[in-house]
Amino acid sequence: KAGVTQTPRYLIKTRGQQVTLSCSPISGHRSVSWYQQTPGQGLQFLFEYFSETQRNKGNFPGRFSGRQFSNSRSEMNVSTLELGDSALYLCASSGDYAWETQYFGPGTRLLVL
Amino acid sequence: DAKTTQPPSMDCAEGRAANLPCNHSTISGNEYVYWYRQIHSQGPQYIIHGLKNNETNEMASLIITEDRKSSTLILPHATLRDTAVYYCIVRVNTGNQFYFGTGTSLTVIP
Repeated sequence: KAGVTQTPRYLIKTRGQQVTLSCSPISGHRSVSWYQQTPGQGLQFLFEYFSETQRNKGNFPGRFSGRQFSNSRSEMNVSTLELGDSALYLCASSGDYAWETQYFGPGTRLLVL
Repeated sequence: DAKTTQPPSMDCAEGRAANLPCNHSTISGNEYVYWYRQIHSQGPQYIIHGLKNNETNEMASLIITEDRKSSTLILPHATLRDTAVYYCIVRVNTGNQFYFGTGTSLTVIP
């Protein structure tokens, strides 16, 4: 079974721009969660989508948003990029139930200049 | 979710067992203990999880104390490829999100 895939793997943007990252979950998984990882803050939960609806949300500003499509693929968008948004963005997929194990993708490394 | 405490770093000789401790003294009855590892900024890799019984799979064993306030991840025969940051996470089975701490950086020495 193919794992979680994320595109693009690397991205360079400038302050003020916006960016869209994509995540394709493991086949059959309907939950997709997004995380941000930085050296200073570690791994932090952004939000989770299930069946095209946001089910859980972390403590990030509204510039961070996401959506999920009917095939469970998910995108996250960051608007008005700031230097501090430079990070590794990870997505994880799991089955229908909250107790099921999450499997992570390789991440998208975003650099904001 | 309960917080976890892990030593920031550990070394282990190649071929020996690596025992990684985790303290989760405020764990609740419905919280699971999960272990993930992250190799050099790749995505975290699932290792094992458990509720109260000890668990074993092809990668590792998880030993949870009877009071569930601490646990130990055991890699039975560490290899150089096991060098990674290991995260111990406890989470309730109703919220589909993990809270990662700072983890333990394990270095396997030849």
